[in-house]
Amino acid sequence: AQSVTQPDIHITVSEGASLELRCNYSYGATPYLFWYVQSPGQGLQLLLKYFSGDTLVQGIKGFEAEFKRSQSSFNLRKPSVHWSDAAEYFCAVGALGGGYQKVTFGTGTKLQVIP
Amino acid sequence: DVKVTQSSRYLVKRTGEKVFLECVQDMDHENMFWYRQDPGLGLRLIYFSYDVKMKEKGDIPEGYSVSREKKERFSLILESASTNQTSMYLCASRFRQGWGTEAFFGQGTRLTVV
Repeated sequence: AQSVTQPDIHITVSEGASLELRCNYSYGATPYLFWYVQSPGQGLQLLLKYFSGDTLVQGIKGFEAEFKRSQSSFNLRKPSVHWSDAAEYFCAVGALGGGYQKVTFGTGTKLQVIP
Repeated sequence: DVKVTQSSRYLVKRTGEKVFLECVQDMDHENMFWYRQDPGLGLRLIYFSYDVKMKEKGDIPEGYSVSREKKERFSLILESASTNQTSMYLCASRFRQGWGTEAFFGQGTRLTVV
């Protein structure tokens, strides 16, 4: 069975600083990887996804993520954080199981942005 | 834009009540899901449906049931609500079981059982 680990429960960064959110996955084959963002009181919105091809994936809102097979990681990055990026971020892995794609979510990282 | 609509943003119910959470999507998606979100636990899959009248148990189905009589609507039922079912419930839909298709989420229903 697949699993996802987001080791940082809470991260605080200053506005304008760079950001990296960590995600490690466990899956025997090549997984499908996602990053979602959840603003306060809202549902989840897809930021980006990866399955194959270029290991550096560009997403919405200026986010990017890099797939590193050797490290089983899919870390999310942004070069300059804006106050509106304050939200909770979820990494997820999709894997085949029982003939369908099962998606497993991490426990989330809450981002606080300070002026 | 895909729209997934959950019928209530906030609900307060009493212990032992039968509770219905409704979810409607407008993009003809085959797959629909119910998740429960709790602090520190992330999203946990309760049930999903890959087509009308089809359902599969997720990771935490105990105390819940579901109904999918029409393609656009997926209902989560708490047969006898308990305080440990106080949580945020998220509905999602996805185009089909195709590899790598992403899910679209509703805004969530925050349920409090007293």
